[in-house]
Parts: sequence; C-alpha cells; structure tokens
Amino acid sequence: EAQVTQNPRYLITVTGKKLTVTCSQNMNHEYMSWYRQDPGLGLRQIYYSMNVEVTDKGDVPEGYKVSRKEKRNFPLILESPSPNQTSLYFCASSPRTGGAFFGQGTRLTVV
Amino acid sequence: GEDVEQSLFLSVREGDSSVINCTYTDSSSTYLYWYKQEPGAGLQLLTYIFSNMDMKQDQRLTVLLNKKDKHLSLRIADTQTGDSAIYFCAESISNFGNEKLTFGTGTRLTIIP
Repeated sequence: EAQVTQNPRYLITVTGKKLTVTCSQNMNHEYMSWYRQDPGLGLRQIYYSMNVEVTDKGDVPEGYKVSRKEKRNFPLILESPSPNQTSLYFCASSPRTGGAFFGQGTRLTVV
Repeated sequence: GEDVEQSLFLSVREGDSSVINCTYTDSSSTYLYWYKQEPGAGLQLLTYIFSNMDMKQDQRLTVLLNKKDKHLSLRIADTQTGDSAIYFCAESISNFGNEKLTFGTGTRLTIIP
C-alpha cells in the first residue's frame, strides 16, 4: 500500500530537549516536504527536498532542521524546541506533478 | 507573493450540492488542488486541475477554474454525511514541479441532516 508514515503520532516534550520526527514514504517519490498546521493559518511549509541531499527552506524554517540521506526518509529535527513550535506537523511526498501524499500527522506539544 | 483565501465555514443540507470557493493571487500557478481533511487524519488529495484547464469532473466532484478572476471552486454533488470535513485549496507555482504547495486556511463543511 502506498503510504507516508510519520512517527510518533503524538509527542509531549519540554523546552530545549532535542527531538526528531521521522517520515518515510514507499512510493519512490523525489519530492518530500514538512508542513505545520495551526488554527486559522492553514498549512505552512517548513522545509522541502527535491532529491537526496537536496533540501531548501520553505516559509517557516526557523527552529527546524531536516536531512535527506536516503530517498525514502525525510526526518524533521527540532534541536531546541520552544512552546511556539507546538503544532500539528505533516510530512508529504510527491511525484513531479499530480499532487502530494500526506502522512497522518504528528501532534507535538512543547511545555 | 502567494496568497490563497477560503471562507472558513459552509453548511449544506444532505443531498444538496456543496460549493467551496477559493481565490489565489499568483497568476503563475501551475496546478491547483483540493484536499480533504477528516478529524484526526492527514490530508487526502481529492482532485487537481492544471492551470490551462477550465473544468475537471470526477464522479461527484467538479472543479471550476476561472484564471481571469483567479477563482477556483469545488462542487460536491449530492452531499453526504461522509463529506463532512475541512477542505483545503492549494496552489503550486513551482517551475520545477510539485515541491512547494501554498494552502488556504481551509473550509469546514458541515452537513445538515
């Protein structure tokens, strides 16, 4: 089954404690992205990757890092999380054209 | 810059047609998308339209694109309770392909029995 898998689904952490949200896709897509969803703001892109070792900033990259060492994986790293990073995070993968496929989401709370 | 706008709420009687509207500002959009988000779930791609098309129909879904007015709409025929969700309009303006989407704030569709 074609899918994008994120882990964990839910995470509560404390300010400053480094964390990683994993994302994996099994569709051999070149493009992968991370978005955050906040009430009233829709989805905003954090980072995207056009291929292995090729990443670039989206609209709200501050406080986040990503890496793309393999085509299927695109982890999101928060080196020092802060409460304003409390949000619902989505990973997506897409072919060159035709729409993106989204993971189930990771709800992160930073206290 | 890109900006995509949608109304926040829409209520429709079961069996009627729902029309969800979206406006965008970037005339260089290549693809425009409609996604559906049910409670606690990720976004599901419903349909998309290439910017040189005016209309696309897929079963109960009809997408209309007015490039002159930068207006996109999604019509759901014979709306059912399972259509209750948040619907997001999104545009892609990338020259390379599909790596960057700009989303609207989403329209919450409520079905009245």
